[in-house]
Amino acid sequence: GDSVTQMEGPVTLSEEAFLTINCTYTATGYPSLFWYVQYPGEGLQLLLKATKADDKGSNKGFEATYRKETTSFHLEKGSVQVSDSAVYFCALFSANAGGTSYGKLTFGQGTILTVHP
Amino acid sequence: KAGVTQTPRYLIKTRGQQVTLSCSPISGHRSVSWYQQTPGQGLQFLFEYFSETQRNKGNFPGRFSGRQFSNSRSEMNVSTLELGDSALYLCASSRTSGRVSYNEQFFGPGTRLTVL
Repeated sequence: GDSVTQMEGPVTLSEEAFLTINCTYTATGYPSLFWYVQYPGEGLQLLLKATKADDKGSNKGFEATYRKETTSFHLEKGSVQVSDSAVYFCALFSANAGGTSYGKLTFGQGTILTVHP
Repeated sequence: KAGVTQTPRYLIKTRGQQVTLSCSPISGHRSVSWYQQTPGQGLQFLFEYFSETQRNKGNFPGRFSGRQFSNSRSEMNVSTLELGDSALYLCASSRTSGRVSYNEQFFGPGTRLTVL
């Protein structure tokens, strides 16, 4: 079945440092890939997405490229801020003809990011 | 446009009781999915509803059930609560084109259920 593996956390960085959070996936067919962010006490917010190989999703300085050959979708940001402290989730949606994927996102375990001033 | 709303935000129940959680999707969204989030298991898919029909279900016991109304609002019910049901329950909605759901889901703030 589908699965997503994220790098072990937590990740602690100083402000303006470079961020990478690794994400690899296993899926049938050609999934769509997402990064969601969760701030304390809140639900999930979509950060960025990519729907086909070599697509680059970007938002708020974050970027991720859909790499089919390495089945990866690593999240990067060149200069993190204290306000980026949150939990980041990599997720995939894998449509299939059988319909067993209706409405189902498969998530990684989440990576806690803490940014210090 | 208002986002996904969930009520109540917090709930405390005791073992053996049952609970009903409510979700109102973004206006115009007809697909509603539910997820359970726990520290140990992470985010797990519960079920998805479209046009008042459950189209997909995750690997949860029959104590977990749901329904969707004609206005796309959805409820989920957990009967005979167990301590392990303590979790954040998240609802998400997505647009559809015919019966096909767009893969981008928009999440509500969640309902924090504590079972004592």
